[in-house]
Amino acid sequence: NAGVTQTPKFQVLKTGQSMTLQCAQDMNHEYMSWYRQDPGMGLRLIHYSVGAGITDQGEVPNGYNVSRSTTEDFPLRLLSAAPSQTSVYFCASSLTGGRGEAFFGQGTRLTVV
Amino acid sequence: GQQVMQIPQYQHVQEGEDFTTYCNSSTTLSNIQWYKQRPGGHPVFLIQLVKSGEVKKQKRLTFQFGEAKKNSSLHITATQTTDVGTYFCASRPVRGGSNYKLTFGKGTLLTVNP
Repeated sequence: NAGVTQTPKFQVLKTGQSMTLQCAQDMNHEYMSWYRQDPGMGLRLIHYSVGAGITDQGEVPNGYNVSRSTTEDFPLRLLSAAPSQTSVYFCASSLTGGRGEAFFGQGTRLTVV
Repeated sequence: GQQVMQIPQYQHVQEGEDFTTYCNSSTTLSNIQWYKQRPGGHPVFLIQLVKSGEVKKQKRLTFQFGEAKKNSSLHITATQTTDVGTYFCASRPVRGGSNYKLTFGKGTLLTVNP
């Protein structure tokens, strides 16, 4: 049982480049979300989705796009990377209606130079 | 938006000492969850509290949810080096808002001196 799988684990980007962080879950969870973690800031919600075709913004959505074409996948797109987006990114999923525990992926450590 | 304030930000203890971290909200919470993140790892769910005044125990860990459902605490008795990590509380608002958004506190980093 893979749970939540994030790729890549590490990434270095140049300012202005774009990229997509991948997230997939095999637990048939309807709720998925993206967080970024910075020292002293805890986990901040970027975007979330309550089901296929439905997404909404979290606390820090600027500079990021998401889509949810399937239940399993929830990619996070950085449109034009900036040094301020250097962070560790976590994808999480939980059961229908966003209830119950959140299962996290292993994280993607992104550095923008 | 809803915020949960978590204190302290850091706590260093000697092995065998107790540890407590607190979460406080200005608004009523539907439930509260606690997570542990080991250094270099990802957050892992510990427990969820739903009822007013609820107390749950997991071995040396005791979790409490306040009577007004606005605060919670995690207490570790006789810490061990395996307890090292960051402890987060997380919550969703009471129904009526966007009750799917799981918001995390900033976490308490616990270090244990053997």
